[in-house]
Amino acid sequence: DGGITQSPKYLFRKEGQNVTLSCEQNLNHDAMYWYRQDPGQGLRLIYYSQIVNDFQKGDIAEGYSVSREKKESFPLTVTSAQKNPTAFYLCATDDRTGYNQPQHFGDGTRLSIL
Amino acid sequence: RKEVEQDPGPFNVPEGATVAFNCTYSNSASQSFFWYRQDCRKEPKLLMSVYSSGNEDGRFTAQLNRASQYISLLIRDSKLSDSATYLCVVTRGDTDKLIFGTGTRLQVFP
Repeated sequence: DGGITQSPKYLFRKEGQNVTLSCEQNLNHDAMYWYRQDPGQGLRLIYYSQIVNDFQKGDIAEGYSVSREKKESFPLTVTSAQKNPTAFYLCATDDRTGYNQPQHFGDGTRLSIL
Repeated sequence: RKEVEQDPGPFNVPEGATVAFNCTYSNSASQSFFWYRQDCRKEPKLLMSVYSSGNEDGRFTAQLNRASQYISLLIRDSKLSDSATYLCVVTRGDTDKLIFGTGTRLQVFP
């Protein structure tokens, strides 16, 4: 079944620890995105990548890092510098081939502080 | 002013009712518009794109008013399964980045 797979579904982080969230897609989409969602707020863009080996900061990149070594994969690392990491993290992709292309989401990872 | 604004609701309506959501956006250069649906503790899912001439998909109708910078979503004959949060999404100016509204919650009761 084609789609976007995020893992793990739930993740707990200890103080001072880096954790990595996985996002894999088999849709052959060029663009991939990471968002976080907090209660009562809209999704906010953390990082995005429009092509392999290239990525750009979004609106709230501080405390996060990414890599894009393969088209299928766009992992997000939440570093210890991110002081308020508890949120719902969503990975999305889109097909850049046409105008007005929507983004499609994985089912998310919930990150909490221990 | 927020880039995308929606009434948070909740809208509580009986089955069979017609309900309308509005959304305003601040950047007149925005090019693409969407409505997403998000169920509790789930990921957003595309409901429909919004085209300049307006478009319909079954019980759902979307309208775009560029002059007034607002988008609407009309749901006719509401079903219990329509209960969810509806997110208004627009591109940031003429870029490909999406800006998400905080969503309008709909609760349909029997």
